[in-house]
Amino acid sequence: DSGVTQTPKHLITATGQRVTLRCSPRSGDLSVYWYQQSLDQGLQFLIQYYNGEERAKGNILERFSAQQFPDLHSELNLSSLELGDSALYFCASSPHGTASTDTQYFGPGTRLTVL
Amino acid sequence: GDSVTQMEGPVTLSEEAFLTINCTYTATGYPSLFWYVQYPGEGLQLLLKATKADDKGSNKGFEATYRKETTSFHLEKGSVQVSDSAVYFCALSVAQTGANNLFFGTGTRLTVIP
Repeated sequence: DSGVTQTPKHLITATGQRVTLRCSPRSGDLSVYWYQQSLDQGLQFLIQYYNGEERAKGNILERFSAQQFPDLHSELNLSSLELGDSALYFCASSPHGTASTDTQYFGPGTRLTVL
Repeated sequence: GDSVTQMEGPVTLSEEAFLTINCTYTATGYPSLFWYVQYPGEGLQLLLKATKADDKGSNKGFEATYRKETTSFHLEKGSVQVSDSAVYFCALSVAQTGANNLFFGTGTRLTVIP
């Protein structure tokens, strides 16, 4: 158990809908990262937050957004869903997130299926 | 840009065989290198890491050495077990302007048969 929790574990929805994925980082970790894992794209970085502020953006679509709240939990919002958004979404956390040596600890993931 | 190239899978080995999974990288700065493992139905777990050239990361019998001259971080284990069956990901992180996201390889699926 990494100490990172994600809810829900599974999510099934229809095209055009909007969903929210939630992540609670390990106690004391200030950085939260979101990654998408799909068969065709592999594991891709979406976005990083550090202590409530956005730090880095990767291949995140404009239909997707995220935020980190004062209690440091984070939410990833996916809207106007398409079939291709079906994937496993991982959240990770790290103590600081400003040094390459920082280890990221991953949650169990949320499996999103868009029908 | 920063990227990781990982040995294509899948890899099937008999129990107690020697394992090597190749990983090479391209990085603009001085990266830290990681191996993560994903067991069926689970998230990614850190297996080992190395943060500077010539460092050796090790854990659970697995080892990898950070080779700057060959830009490589190959994963090795002397004697694999059935319980090692999983997908292995090589990754790098380069701190840049306050961010340090991971770049992953494509993953290598290892199956160990009794």
